[in-house]
Amino acid sequence: QLQLQESGPGLVKPSETLSLTCSVSGGSISSSSYYWGWIRQPPGKGLEWIGSIYYTGSIYYNPSLRSRVTISVDTSKNQFSLKLSSVTAADTAVYYCARHHKYYYYMDVWGKGTKVTVSS
Amino acid sequence: QSALTQPASVSGSPGQSITISCTGTSSDIGNYNLVSWYQQHPGKAPKLMIYEGSKRPSGVSNRFSGSKSGNTASLTISGLQAEDEADYYCCSYAGSSTPYVFGTGTKVTVL
Repeated sequence: QLQLQESGPGLVKPSETLSLTCSVSGGSISSSSYYWGWIRQPPGKGLEWIGSIYYTGSIYYNPSLRSRVTISVDTSKNQFSLKLSSVTAADTAVYYCARHHKYYYYMDVWGKGTKVTVSS
Repeated sequence: QSALTQPASVSGSPGQSITISCTGTSSDIGNYNLVSWYQQHPGKAPKLMIYEGSKRPSGVSNRFSGSKSGNTASLTISGLQAEDEADYYCCSYAGSSTPYVFGTGTKVTVL
């Protein structure tokens, strides 16, 4: 059974870079049918797609975050990562990683989420 | 790309049917049959309930159904149960530059 697990610091200072990793178990990140992505949810608010990566390195980013986001994949570790630079309090959220179907654009497996607070 | 529009809240009594709307544009919902719906209980990760507009993943109750008309997608929950009380989000493919656009979310209350 495929499982995703987010990891990373729960507290980041303003203007610094938020870094998270999603570890994939029970399946290969090199699957030909899926992208792997990040979604966030600020406290009390809705879901926002951040970006997605294919195992070959092909990437989609949300245009509203593109200038600050870097997503990478490490197939040898079965992991993919998120970096969000120059964070502010508005980046405080629960960050989820999820598997996305490559052709039908749905997210069928999600991590439990990790809460990241931006504060000095 | 703006968020898809959902009603903030919908309520119903046990056993009743409710429908949640999700309104987009001809650039997203109206142009593709790639709407998905997610259920989220408090403090939990979202769960896929419907994909490709009307298909149910294995294990999802057939009380959940999806449809689309023009620029609006809908999720219907029939035979409402207490466990259906949650937040629901729609999501649509919106083209290669912005593949995913989420809805604003709807809180479902079982009276």
